[in-house]
Amino acid sequence: DGGITQSPKYLFRKEGQNVTLSCEQNLNHDAMYWYRQDPGQGLRLIYYSQIVNDFQKGDIAEGYSVSREKKESFPLTVTSAQKNPTAFYLCASSIGSTVHGYTFGSGTRLTVV
Amino acid sequence: AQSVTQLDSQVPVFEEAPVELRCNYSSSVSVYLFWYVQYPNQGLQLLLKYLSGSTLVKGINGFEAEFNKSQTSFHLRKPSVHISDTAEYFCAVSDGGSNYKLTFGKGTLLTVNP
Repeated sequence: DGGITQSPKYLFRKEGQNVTLSCEQNLNHDAMYWYRQDPGQGLRLIYYSQIVNDFQKGDIAEGYSVSREKKESFPLTVTSAQKNPTAFYLCASSIGSTVHGYTFGSGTRLTVV
Repeated sequence: AQSVTQLDSQVPVFEEAPVELRCNYSSSVSVYLFWYVQYPNQGLQLLLKYLSGSTLVKGINGFEAEFNKSQTSFHLRKPSVHISDTAEYFCAVSDGGSNYKLTFGKGTLLTVNP
């Protein structure tokens, strides 16, 4: 079955370390997205990519970086510059336009201690 | 710019009671509207969507929503809820343009009590 795989599901890191979250899709979707979810704040867009080798900042890009070297993969790096990295991170993809909405992965819960 | 307001952050109901989760949006153009459900520690799953046509949209798990253009609303309803409907529900809007982006509301936590 096609879908989006996020790994790992739970991730613990020490403060000051960079960490990379994986997102892979086999849906042949052009666009991919990263969201951060905090209690009571809904989903906030970090980065998105419409095509390979191109990506744009979302609303809260500071302290994060991404790459899109392959259509299937859109990894997110949480850098030490991100002041409050502990959160639930969701990856999503879409065919192109938003007519069909997004397909979401199951998320990665990052805890920085 | 478009925005979404979910009027209730939490909605507690008893099992088998009806429920309505409210969503209002603002957009200067025609919109696509979506409702997603999220169970604890999981991703979001699409419940239903409105693109055009009939204003009453039926989705999975017995949910439905009504698009009201004059009131810029897209409220989600279910006539009789189950314990298993306990989850967080998100409303989202898109203008269908080339930016591929959905704008999400902050979510409504539906808690179904026995």
